[in-house]
Amino acid sequence: KAGVTQTPRYLIKTRGQQVTLSCSPISGHRSVSWYQQTPGQGLQFLFEYFSETQRNKGNFPGRFSGRQFSNSRSEMNVSTLELGDSALYLCASSLERGLSPLHFGNGTRLTVT
Amino acid sequence: GENVEQHPSTLSVQEGDSAVIKCTYSDSASNYFPWYKQELGKGPQLIIDIRSNVGEKKDQRIAVTLNKTAKHFSLHITETQPEDSAVYFCAARANAGGTSYGKLTFGQGTILTVHP
Repeated sequence: KAGVTQTPRYLIKTRGQQVTLSCSPISGHRSVSWYQQTPGQGLQFLFEYFSETQRNKGNFPGRFSGRQFSNSRSEMNVSTLELGDSALYLCASSLERGLSPLHFGNGTRLTVT
Repeated sequence: GENVEQHPSTLSVQEGDSAVIKCTYSDSASNYFPWYKQELGKGPQLIIDIRSNVGEKKDQRIAVTLNKTAKHFSLHITETQPEDSAVYFCAARANAGGTSYGKLTFGQGTILTVHP
């Protein structure tokens, strides 16, 4: 069974631009979460989607948004990019909400210049 | 909200030795505790997890223990090998009704180096 797939693997953007990252969960998984990983802050929760609805959101500004499609695939968008948005963005999927294990993709490395 | 503290931040051992990484959590509503291994250029990989109704779980060379009273859980790796070298993260998640339901709160990570 294929794992969580994230595209693209690398992105370089300029301050002020916007970016869209894509995530395909493991087949059959219905919950998708996004995390930001930086050397200073570690792994931080962005949001969780289940049945096309955002179920939980972390402490990030409104410039960070996401959505989930009917096939469980998900996208996240960051508008008006700032230098501090440079990070590894990780998508994770699980079978259901709650106690199902979370499986991560290899991430999208975003660099903002 | 939940807060997870992880120690040590770096750990260096000789091949064949054991390694222990410890985590504490703050939210008594947390009831699921996974451990992840992250290698360079990859995302975190789930290596073992434990639920709050279990005190210990073992899978070959790795084991996890949980003390709910002390809000403390640990990862034990025995007979370490160079390929165990990676960054290890602990995490906690609450059950339904908790503010952290559906999200994992991670520790800061431990860089484990196993010397041949």
